[in-house]
Amino acid sequence: DIVMTQTPLSSLVTLGQPASISCRSSQSLVHSDGNTYLSWLQQRPGQPPRLLIYKISNRFSGVPDRFSGSGAGTDFTLKISRVEAEDVGVYYCMQAKEFPLTFGGGTKVEIK
Amino acid sequence: EVQLVESGGGLEKPGGSLRLSCAASGFSISKAWVTWVRQAPGKGLEWVGRIKSKTDGGTIDYAAPVKGRFTISRDDSKNTLYLQMNSLKTEDTAVYYCATGAKVVGAFDLWGQGAMVSVSP
Repeated sequence: DIVMTQTPLSSLVTLGQPASISCRSSQSLVHSDGNTYLSWLQQRPGQPPRLLIYKISNRFSGVPDRFSGSGAGTDFTLKISRVEAEDVGVYYCMQAKEFPLTFGGGTKVEIK
Repeated sequence: EVQLVESGGGLEKPGGSLRLSCAASGFSISKAWVTWVRQAPGKGLEWVGRIKSKTDGGTIDYAAPVKGRFTISRDDSKNTLYLQMNSLKTEDTAVYYCATGAKVVGAFDLWGQGAMVSVSP
C-alpha cells in the first residue's frame, strides 16, 4: 500500500498569515495514464470532507484562490496564502493512483 | 440540488449486521464510480471500497480490513448504493461516507453527510 505522510500534525496560524502543509508518498503517484492523482481535502469540524485541490494543483470549483497545490512525484504541498477563520479544520492529502486509496494522517489548522 | 445522502447507521453488537444506503439526488448515479470512506471517532479517513459503474464493468474493490465481511452493491433504478456490513467488529465503529467524483477524475468532489455506525457489546 502507498503510505501518505503529512507534516506538520498541527499548525497554529495567525489570521492573514500563510500556512503550508506537506504530503509525501512512499512511492511515485504518477499513474500509467500520465496523471498524478493527488488531491487535498478540507474537513471542518462536524462536516464531511470537502475537495479543495485535485491532480496536484487544480483548484476545484468554488474553492478560494488563496488555496494552492504544488509538487510532483512523491512530494506535494498545500498552501494557504492568507489564513482566514473559516479555514480552521483538518486537511488531508489523498492518493488515487492505485488501490487501496490512502490518505495522509491529517493536519489540523488552528488560529493563533 | 446534487447530493448524496447516507442512511441506515445505528448501534449493533459485535458479530451483527447493518446495511447503509447512499441515495443520490439531482443526478443519475448510473455512470458514477462510488466509494465508501470511513472515519473512526477522532481519527483520520480510511478507504473502505469502491464500485464501478455497470457500463465500466461494475468491478468492486475492498480494503483488506473489510474484505469478506462487507459488500458494496448498487441499484441504479433506485439511484442508490449500498454497503452491507456483516460480522461487525468494534473497530468498525466509525462515520461512513459515500463519495464520488461527479465532476473530476481521480478525486471525490461530492460527499454525503455521513452515517454513524457504532459496534459495541
